[in-house]
Amino acid sequence: QSVLTQPPSASGTPGQRVTISCSGSSSNIGSNTMNWYQQLPGTAPKLLIYSNNQRPSGVPDRFSGSKSGTSASLAISGLQSEDEADYYCATWDDSLNGWVFGGGTKLTVL
Amino acid sequence: QVQLVQSGAEVKKPGSSVKVSCKASGGTFSRFTISWVRQAPGQGLEWMGGIIPIFASSNYAQKFQGRVTITADESTSTAYMELSSLRSEDTAVYYCAREFGGRSRRGNWFDPWGQGTLVTVSS
Repeated sequence: QSVLTQPPSASGTPGQRVTISCSGSSSNIGSNTMNWYQQLPGTAPKLLIYSNNQRPSGVPDRFSGSKSGTSASLAISGLQSEDEADYYCATWDDSLNGWVFGGGTKLTVL
Repeated sequence: QVQLVQSGAEVKKPGSSVKVSCKASGGTFSRFTISWVRQAPGQGLEWMGGIIPIFASSNYAQKFQGRVTITADESTSTAYMELSSLRSEDTAVYYCAREFGGRSRRGNWFDPWGQGTLVTVSS
């Protein structure tokens, strides 16, 4: 049982916009910045979004993040086949004094 | 550009221990926290603990307290994660990742990640 809650799956057709939600509590999302990771099949996770809405160099601007209260969202616009991957939200939890992850969302491009 | 390279796959018996290494190259090692995250087959990511090499200060997720030890050798820019009393449920890919960015850990993020080390626990 993950501390952060994500939908287990999401899907969309090429060109569509999809969003993935992540919900938590005041001790984690409510107090700290949110990061998102993309994990392509058989590979290590990769930083996708940091500090709620910042994209590392090389990440397309089709990916965007937002946070409000104790929830956060990852949006992917102009969906492409190469976006098919698992997506994880993660943040620091002040009560647990450690990092917590969402259970992951498997994105399928139909 | 910092790179993290981990040691190879391991097969262990239940009740034994495993020690996985994570060698950093291309950047400053000591000042940044190195965390360990594991992923059981078909499951999500789970943070185990981390260490700030310059202070040799580590903290662990409650679930792993008493069973995991994370250390670092500044002279070789290498972090280690040792997990003891292994059981079949510990079969997973273990990743190291550098924490980077914020003024405190609360504002950090994981980047980069190591390639992962598969640890299989089987009798």
